[in-house]
Amino acid sequence: AQTVTQSQPEMSVQEAETVTLSCTYDTSESNYYLFWYKQPPSRQMILVIRQEAYKQQNATENRFSVNFQKAAKSFSLKISDSQLGDTAMYFCAFMTRETSGSRLTFGEGTQLTVNP
Amino acid sequence: ETGVTQTPRHLVMGMTNKKSLKCEQHLGHNAMYWYKQSAKKPLELMFVYSLEERVENNSVPSRFSPECPNSSHLFLHLHTLQPEDSALYLCASSQGQGGGTEAFFGQGTRLTVV
Repeated sequence: AQTVTQSQPEMSVQEAETVTLSCTYDTSESNYYLFWYKQPPSRQMILVIRQEAYKQQNATENRFSVNFQKAAKSFSLKISDSQLGDTAMYFCAFMTRETSGSRLTFGEGTQLTVNP
Repeated sequence: ETGVTQTPRHLVMGMTNKKSLKCEQHLGHNAMYWYKQSAKKPLELMFVYSLEERVENNSVPSRFSPECPNSSHLFLHLHTLQPEDSALYLCASSQGQGGGTEAFFGQGTRLTVV
């Protein structure tokens, strides 16, 4: 079974600064995907960024980037130039490659608050 | 229309009631999911449907009964629920065949059992 751990229940950052959210996971699989999802107060779960385990290059999506350390089973999210709209709950999620669907295992989430 | 739509957004029901949650996706996906999001707990995968066939049931009590009449619609029928079933229920869809694609979520139904 896979597990995902987010050790920071809450974090805050000043607008325009950089913040890093931590995530570790445990799996015996070698081929898998990792995701960061954002859930604002509207409750809509929105994909922020994804990483394929077989790719060594860290994924980047505009102000969002990851630090993927496969040997350490670590997958942190860095948000640069934080904006007020980044305030949300952030979930790290893990998925194995299976032919019949995307089964996501989620961490407990980190509530990020961006302060003006 | 947004990609994945859930109705109702809020639901309050008594323990003896029967109600249904509805999910509709307009993305042409062939896999749909129900997740439960409780306070202070990770999201829990409840059911997986692939090509309208239930392929996973994660030890969910029988008072939750899913139905997938076609690839665009997913229901969760509720009966004789308990107060601990109060949670946010999220529906998601993905292009399941071949795996590896992200799931798209609806905005959820906030369920309160009284």
